[in-house]
Amino acid sequence: EVQLVESGGGLVQPGGSLRLSCAASGFTFSDPFMDWVRQAPGKGLEWVGRIRNKLSSYSTEYAASVKGRFTISRDDSQNTLNLQMNSLKTEDTAVYYCARVIIGSRGFDPWGQGTLVTVSS
Amino acid sequence: DIQLTQSPSFLSASVGDRVTITCRASQGISSSLAWYQQKPGKAPKLLIHAASTLQSGVPSRFSGTGSGTEFTLTISSLQPEDFATYYCQQLNSFPLTFGGGTKVEIK
Repeated sequence: EVQLVESGGGLVQPGGSLRLSCAASGFTFSDPFMDWVRQAPGKGLEWVGRIRNKLSSYSTEYAASVKGRFTISRDDSQNTLNLQMNSLKTEDTAVYYCARVIIGSRGFDPWGQGTLVTVSS
Repeated sequence: DIQLTQSPSFLSASVGDRVTITCRASQGISSSLAWYQQKPGKAPKLLIHAASTLQSGVPSRFSGTGSGTEFTLTISSLQPEDFATYYCQQLNSFPLTFGGGTKVEIK
């Protein structure tokens, strides 16, 4: 079964840091691009960023709202996707989902179950 | 950035109804559009990609049409399990963006 499982969420103070992980199983993790998407409480979906595969030099893209603060990485040997979040703001409070990009970059499937990040003093 | 405007933002419908949701892009995105279904407390689920291709395992009552700037998601006969929030997403250019969502509730 293709599965993504996020971990690492929790409560952090403004200005703090947090590292999220996404463990993949059931497919060849090194092949696809991987993305992060977040959803603030009661709000819609917001794309956070992408990391491409080794063939594409692990290049990344970020939303303007997180660029310079968040870093996406992957460890293909451990089947793990990471999101390092620094200089966190209250507006970063959200459920964070990892997602696999389907071939041709046509959509995201599957998504993980999400992990909640709360930024508050 | 490409803005996606979904309409309506909320609709009330009955089991068996035909339901249509529209997604308009602020500029042309060819067929680079996906549709997702999200139920409360759950992750989104891919329904349609490339504007009209049904994702494997998704019931055939779901269909998508459109290209350029205007897209629709149609549920031909609404089932109890279809009551959820639906989002469109453009994958034509970065930053990727989502529509604001359409919540489908039971009448």
